[in-house]
Amino acid sequence: RKEVEQDPGPFNVPEGATVAFNCTYSNSASQSFFWYRQDCRKEPKLLMSVYSSGNEDGRFTAQLNRASQYISLLIRDSKLSDSATYLCVVNRDSNYQLIWGAGTKLIIKP
Amino acid sequence: DGGITQSPKYLFRKEGQNVTLSCEQNLNHDAMYWYRQDPGQGLRLIYYSQIVNDFQKGDIAEGYSVSREKKESFPLTVTSAQKNPTAFYLCASTYADTQYFGPGTRLTVL
Repeated sequence: RKEVEQDPGPFNVPEGATVAFNCTYSNSASQSFFWYRQDCRKEPKLLMSVYSSGNEDGRFTAQLNRASQYISLLIRDSKLSDSATYLCVVNRDSNYQLIWGAGTKLIIKP
Repeated sequence: DGGITQSPKYLFRKEGQNVTLSCEQNLNHDAMYWYRQDPGQGLRLIYYSQIVNDFQKGDIAEGYSVSREKKESFPLTVTSAQKNPTAFYLCASTYADTQYFGPGTRLTVL
């Protein structure tokens, strides 16, 4: 089993729709969780950290479910510019080592 | 402007040759990382360094070497022992749990 698993997609979503995807992780001791965004052939950039109580940043909402060991990302009112690959990231035994999911590709269609 | 620079952006090498990828940061971050990304896969950790003159192997260190003689610089050498070196290489530094990436180097072995 991979340490971090994501549905690779692609998710094809019409502009303005709401889309959600999950990521599961295997290490129950993990304490830090993140979503990064990666545009085609570019470097990843932090989208948001994921906190235990859940957190929201504009149209983006992240949730953590420790019991089931998954994190989720919800995007409301999707824009064409949201098209990208979304990477789920979890720390291993310390914050010096992060484990990266393979990413979920999102395509927003006009 | 503060940031991470990687050079070159594209690199071609012949089989059997060693090649060194440059990574420089002026963010004054202590921790630096090298990752490799292959199509359809998450980022995999090659080496990381928490402080000058110290570095640790990541999950796929075989066939690679690094040095950390200065805080600002963390070069990666891809040796001829690396059997499948064609990939996208990303350098990163960390501050407050966030990883900041350089633009990456695409290495192709001919």
